[in-house]
Amino acid sequence: GENVEQHPSTLSVQEGDSAVIKCTYSDSASNYFPWYKQELGKGPQLIIDIRSNVGEKKDQRIAVTLNKTAKHFSLHITETQPEDSAVYFCAENEKLTFGTGTRLTIIP
Amino acid sequence: DAGVTQSPTHLIKTRGQQVTLRCSPKSGHDTVSWYQQALGQGPQFIFQYYEEEERQRGNFPDRFSGHQFPNYSSELNVNALLLGDSALYLCASSQDPLGNQPQHFGDGTRLSIL
Repeated sequence: GENVEQHPSTLSVQEGDSAVIKCTYSDSASNYFPWYKQELGKGPQLIIDIRSNVGEKKDQRIAVTLNKTAKHFSLHITETQPEDSAVYFCAENEKLTFGTGTRLTIIP
Repeated sequence: DAGVTQSPTHLIKTRGQQVTLRCSPKSGHDTVSWYQQALGQGPQFIFQYYEEEERQRGNFPDRFSGHQFPNYSSELNVNALLLGDSALYLCASSQDPLGNQPQHFGDGTRLSIL
């Protein structure tokens, strides 16, 4: 069945530094990998996604990389800001199997 | 342009009762999916509706049922509520059921079972 492992579960970085969150999936047929940001009391918000025909996608301070051979993908946030503090979830495929989440805290 | 809206925002029920949660998709979206998010966990896929039919289903018992209306809005029904059904229930909508378009989430309904 589908399974997504996400690491780390918590991450604290100094403001201005970079943060990296990694996910590993098991279903080799998976071809769609979104990342969501969830703030307290809110639903998940799509921040970036990638499909299997590309290896990297960037949107301003956020980038996602995909290694289909190794079945893992990563979220990179550069020049972190306090408003980046939230829980981040990776997911795979159209039914959106979610990872267990990473609580990111940006230290001012 | 309204996003995905869910009602109610909070609900308290007792064991054995039944509950109905409602979702209006984002304008232009015709596919609705429901997820259960337990505290501290990632959302778990319950089922997806497209063209008023259940198209896909996750690993949830048939106490969980749903419906989609001609205007694409949707309901999630849960019968014989258990304490373990306490969670945030999220609705997501998209423009197609095949995963070719991103899903957009509402802010959820917080269901508490006493």
